Amino acid sequence: AQKVTQAQTEISVVEKEDVTLDCVYETRDTTYYLFWYKQPPSGELVFLIRRNSFDEQNEISGRYSWNFQKSTSSFNFTITASQVVDSAVYFCALNNAGKSTFGDGTTLTVKP
Amino acid sequence: DAGVIQSPRHEVTEMGQEVTLRCKPISGHDYLFWYRQTMMRGLELLIYFNNNVPIDDSGMPEDRFSAKMPNASFSTLKIQPSEPRDSAVYFCASGSSRGGELIYEQYFGPGTRLTVT
Repeated sequence: AQKVTQAQTEISVVEKEDVTLDCVYETRDTTYYLFWYKQPPSGELVFLIRRNSFDEQNEISGRYSWNFQKSTSSFNFTITASQVVDSAVYFCALNNAGKSTFGDGTTLTVKP
Repeated sequence: DAGVIQSPRHEVTEMGQEVTLRCKPISGHDYLFWYRQTMMRGLELLIYFNNNVPIDDSGMPEDRFSAKMPNASFSTLKIQPSEPRDSAVYFCASGSSRGGELIYEQYFGPGTRLTVT
């Protein structure tokens, strides 16, 4: 069985602060993909990043960075110098052979 | 390229009525997923198809729900009869495996907000 845990239900920060969203997963499979999605107040789900289980190289995209550690089954997401537009619900997801399991999401509020 | 298209965007119906949600995946994608999102249960995978064939429908809540994918460019999710507890946002997503087993990417449609009164 697959499981994704996002322990942080809600996070509130002030603009320009850095913030890290945690994601811990469980799977018996050795081959899988991990994803992060953003759901802004408008409701759509926006794909942010994909990482496969064989690639533990961290990735940076602008103010976003991701830290994948297979040893701790974690795939954490950091936003540097947060902005009000980053306010959204962020979902971590695990996918193997089609079946996707999503975490419950972390609601991030960035205050001006 | 157009993204995943869902219709209708909003649906309000009375309990007992049949509801049909529609989805057009991104061209070339070989996987299609139906999800339901509620405050109580979060995002739930209902069913997914690979090359138009249903692979896993274990998330379908009960027999009142059915899904079809008659061709690579169209899928429906039907609820008959509908109940108030079916009120949720229903998302369709499509993905590409590029010939392998894993999903390299998964893109979501805008969702259909269903309200059953």
